[in-house]
Parts: sequence; structure tokens; C-alpha cells
Amino acid sequence: AQSVAQPEDQVNVAEGNPLTVKCTYSVSGNPYLFWYVQYPNRGLQFLLKYITGDNLVKGSYGFEAEFNKSQTSFHLKKPSALVSDSALYFCAVREIRRRALTFGSGTRLQVQP
Amino acid sequence: SAVISQKPSRDICQRGTSLTIQCQVDSQVTMMFWYRQQPGQSLTLIATANQGSEATYESGFVIDKFPISRPNLTFSTLTVSNMSPEDSSIYLCSVYQGNEQFFGPGTRLTVL
Repeated sequence: AQSVAQPEDQVNVAEGNPLTVKCTYSVSGNPYLFWYVQYPNRGLQFLLKYITGDNLVKGSYGFEAEFNKSQTSFHLKKPSALVSDSALYFCAVREIRRRALTFGSGTRLQVQP
Repeated sequence: SAVISQKPSRDICQRGTSLTIQCQVDSQVTMMFWYRQQPGQSLTLIATANQGSEATYESGFVIDKFPISRPNLTFSTLTVSNMSPEDSSIYLCSVYQGNEQFFGPGTRLTVL
């Protein structure tokens, strides 16, 4: 069965500093990996995905993620955090044969001014 | 990208009653999914709904409690039956299209 782990419930970072939100996964076969963001009282917004190809994936709002097959990780990164990046971030994985996503527990990102 | 709407956006219901949530997609899709997000929690898949066949439920979810209809390729409903306060959650409709998963805005349900 596929699974996703987000080891940090919350990440705190100062505005302008780089941020990393961690994600590790477990699937049989090659994974499709996703990051979503959820702002308060708003829907789930797609940030980026890894299907195949370059291990560094660039997404919306300046976010990027690095796929590391040997470490089964897909950490979300941004070079310079903004206060407006404060939100709940979910990592998700999908096995190729299964269309539904399995989500991690979520990480709350707090960017302090 | 698919655009998904849900009705109602929120509701407050009494225990023991049922609520039907509607999901409308602006394009035809084969697979639709229903997720639940309990307060402060992650998203959990309830079931997968394909047009013309019965929904496939995940472990811990049963058809009697969460009956699903999928009458065509752009519409689905999820009913939360015989509600209890533990059913208070956000219910999200989702579709798979072009290697991406799109989500509706969610229905925020509060059961008193």
C-alpha cells in the first residue's frame, strides 16, 4: 500500500529565509508525487508534481521540489519565504495503477515577518 | 484544467439526518473521487466513483453510510446518512484529468 509521511507538524521560518517542508513516501513501483497548499477556508490548490524526468520540479508561487529516489523523498523548497506563504501544505503520492491520491498528514508553515 | 463546483458550500445539520452533497465538473471525466477532511486532519479517500458502475469504497467507509451516485460523466453526489457529530468534516470532490488531480472547494459540514 502507498503511504506518505510528513514528519513535521509545523515549520517556522523568518521571511526572506529559505524554507523546506519534508516529505517521504512509500509505493510499489514508480511514484507520481504532488504538493498541494490549503489556505484557511479555501480549497486545496495544486503547487507542483513529479511524474518523470528532471528530479527538480518547479511549481507555482516560486516553490520547487526535489525528487530523490534513493531516499524516497520529495521535499518542498522555496529560496525566500514570504509571510503570505503561511498555510497548510500536503504532500501526496499516487501509484501509476491507482488514480486516487494518498495524502500526508500535512505541515503547517508559519512565516514570521 | 477541470473546474469543479460543490453544493452546498456549508451546512449545519442535526444528528440522525442525512445530507446530499453535489459535485459538478465542467468537463467529462471518467473517475471522480470523494475525500473527507476531519478538523485539523489530512484528507482521506472515501470512495472512487466511475460512471455506470458502483462506487468503490475504501476501508472504513461503507455504502450504507456514504451512498454515492454517478449518473453521468460530469456529476456525482455523496450522501452522508444518519449523521453524528463525528461526521463533521469538509467533504471534497475530486477528479483525475491529464495526470493531475483537481479538487472542488469542499463542503463544510457541521453536525450538532
